[in-house]
Amino acid sequence: SQQGEEDPQALSIQEGENATMNCSYKTSINNLQWYRQNSGRGLVHLILIRSNEREKHSGRLRVTLDTSKKSSSLLITASRAADTASYFCATDRNFNKFYFGSGTKLNVKP
Amino acid sequence: EAQVTQNPRYLITVTGKKLTVTCSQNMNHEYMSWYRQDPGLGLRQIYYSMNVEATDKGDVPEGYKVSRKEKRNFPLILESPSPNQTSLYFCASSIKKTDKNQPQHFGDGTRLSIL
Repeated sequence: SQQGEEDPQALSIQEGENATMNCSYKTSINNLQWYRQNSGRGLVHLILIRSNEREKHSGRLRVTLDTSKKSSSLLITASRAADTASYFCATDRNFNKFYFGSGTKLNVKP
Repeated sequence: EAQVTQNPRYLITVTGKKLTVTCSQNMNHEYMSWYRQDPGLGLRQIYYSMNVEATDKGDVPEGYKVSRKEKRNFPLILESPSPNQTSLYFCASSIKKTDKNQPQHFGDGTRLSIL
């Protein structure tokens, strides 16, 4: 069964707006990672947050982790057309096996 | 340039004809993994390898084989492909530390169609 599930499945916003995506998972984790996938390409790592961390920033990205609710959110501030992509969360249970959600498809309109 | 290279990128073949998808990384990574991506299901892990001669099953290993004879290569073998293995396949690699995960680097994918 899938460990991570993103919400919403699709999101359409105007350039300059913020985009928030959520990820929920089912069992305890060691860390949670967010990836971006441009159409027809491989996944690109964005940010990793460990289970003992609550918030992490990287440029325009902000990730939060709430282990009590088994959920994480990815915020992209001041979005750009180039942010149009699918975004996935990935969790692991034993550092070797990874579980990806089905992704959020973000469309940023210029 | 640091990269994970998969070949072929596209393949259309027929049921039962053995095929191999190659994966090679030039970053000296210990950990390598194969995933398949299907609409609505996200990425599912097929097999992973923690180092040379150390492989283990992921979530959906049935119908696949792997080998890790060299650190840089991790081929995915479909001995007798079936139509339900039609999918987009990704190879990934990362540094492996005992108690910490590192970001995975992904190849550009191999689109397999089994007729």
